[in-house]
Amino acid sequence: AQKVTQAQTEISVVEKEDVTLDCVYETRDTTYYLFWYKQPPSGELVFLIRRNSFDEQNEISGRYSWNFQKSTSSFNFTITASQVVDSAVYFCALSEAGTGNQFYFGTGTSLTVIP
Amino acid sequence: NAGVTQTPKFRVLKTGQSMTLLCAQDMNHEYMYWYRQDPGMGLRLIHYSVGEGTTAKGEVPDGYNVSRLKKQNFLLGLESAAPSQTSVYFCASSSGRRTEAFFGQGTRLTVV
Repeated sequence: AQKVTQAQTEISVVEKEDVTLDCVYETRDTTYYLFWYKQPPSGELVFLIRRNSFDEQNEISGRYSWNFQKSTSSFNFTITASQVVDSAVYFCALSEAGTGNQFYFGTGTSLTVIP
Repeated sequence: NAGVTQTPKFRVLKTGQSMTLLCAQDMNHEYMYWYRQDPGMGLRLIHYSVGEGTTAKGEVPDGYNVSRLKKQNFLLGLESAAPSQTSVYFCASSSGRRTEAFFGQGTRLTVV
C-alpha cells in the first residue's frame, strides 16, 4: 500500500492564482515526520519544509503555507499568488521514527504556472 | 558548500555492461540513500546505509549493489545493466530519520 498519496498528478494554474497541493499519508507510528520537496525543471530536489507529528500548527513561509491535519492524515501545501518560478514537481514524503530507515515519497504533483 | 555530489551526471550503457555511481557528501551525515526516479512513480529507494560499513535493501534492490567503505561515500553498482534500469538516480544523505535529506543533482542513466 502506498504510504504517501499525491492524487493530483498534474495541475495548471494562471499566474497569481492560489493553488493547493494535496498529500495524504498512512502510518501506524505515533511519531513521524513529513516533508515537502520541490523539483524544478533543472532536476535537483530542494527541501521545503519538515513537520513532526506532534506539531499541528500551520506553517507559513512567504507565499508558501502548509496545513497539517492528523485527523485526516493530510499535509497539504498551498502556494499563494503563484508565479512562473513555482512551476515544478512537488513531492511529499514521510519518515517514521519507529520502524525503517527511509523516506517514503509520493509520486509527485507537477505544477505548471501559466503566465 | 558542495553538499552531496554525484558522479557522473550522465551515462549511456550497453545491456550487460557494468558501472559504478559515486556519491560523496561533506556534511558528516550518518545516513545515505540511493533512489531511482521514473515517470509517474516518484522516488523509489534502492539501497541505504545508516553508517560506515553498513548497507541495507530498500524497495527496489534487485540488480544493484552498494558499498559504504567510508562515511562520506556511498557507491551504487550495476552488475549487468538492463534497459529496465534506465532511470534518473539520486543520492541523498541525512543526519537521521528525523531530519530532512539532502539530494545530489542526479545521474541520468540510459541502458540501450
